Amino acid sequence: QQQVKQSPQSLIVQKGGISIINCAYENTAFDYFPWYQQFPGKGPALLIAIRPDVSEKKEGRFTISFNKSAKQFSLHIMDSQPGDSATYFCAARVVNTGGFKTIFGAGTRLFVKA
Amino acid sequence: AAGVIQSPRHLIKEKRETATLKCYPIPRHDTVYWYQQGPGQDPQFLISFYEKMQSDKGSIPDRFSAQQFSDYHSELNMSSLELGDSALYFCASSLDWGSGELFFGEGSRLTVL
Repeated sequence: QQQVKQSPQSLIVQKGGISIINCAYENTAFDYFPWYQQFPGKGPALLIAIRPDVSEKKEGRFTISFNKSAKQFSLHIMDSQPGDSATYFCAARVVNTGGFKTIFGAGTRLFVKA
Repeated sequence: AAGVIQSPRHLIKEKRETATLKCYPIPRHDTVYWYQQGPGQDPQFLISFYEKMQSDKGSIPDRFSAQQFSDYHSELNMSSLELGDSALYFCASSLDWGSGELFFGEGSRLTVL
């Protein structure tokens, strides 16, 4: 019940196109949904995040759409650029008895063709 | 700006040996998390500490132990290493127990031969 399911596993997009990555969850106790971007050999870095009381958040070319009733959220990358080529992880945070835990999706490898 | 510092960046060990990874969180961050990431895998939560006390435990093997010290740095100790322990180990820190954002270090790559 603490899983976060992410799709697709990999994605190839033309430069200037829209990249869409989807995630779904079951646990309604999740209270924070971040997206992390990871380049090879580097640690994940926070890209954008949303809380469940908001349906959409936009930061530059990156937008999170959140559907609370469907327990789904997605990342849209507009005007995708070759520099966006990286692995993207959706995540969800839950409060346990001991504290907060962030659960990651399996990741999506994005490749933007020049 | 100061980031999370991990050492060593690379480590090669033999089976059944012991390894220790160190993590220095961002100054004033009071929570430290350890994650293990296998090749092509998502980061798997191992353990976390808040104010030097273990706050949560994930899929950490019994052969592993960790602690957070008075200066907030943390160490992950791994004993009786197995081939399957080869992975990238990330440390992340956050400010305040309630903050959602994790700041990751660049990772320590452990190779067990």
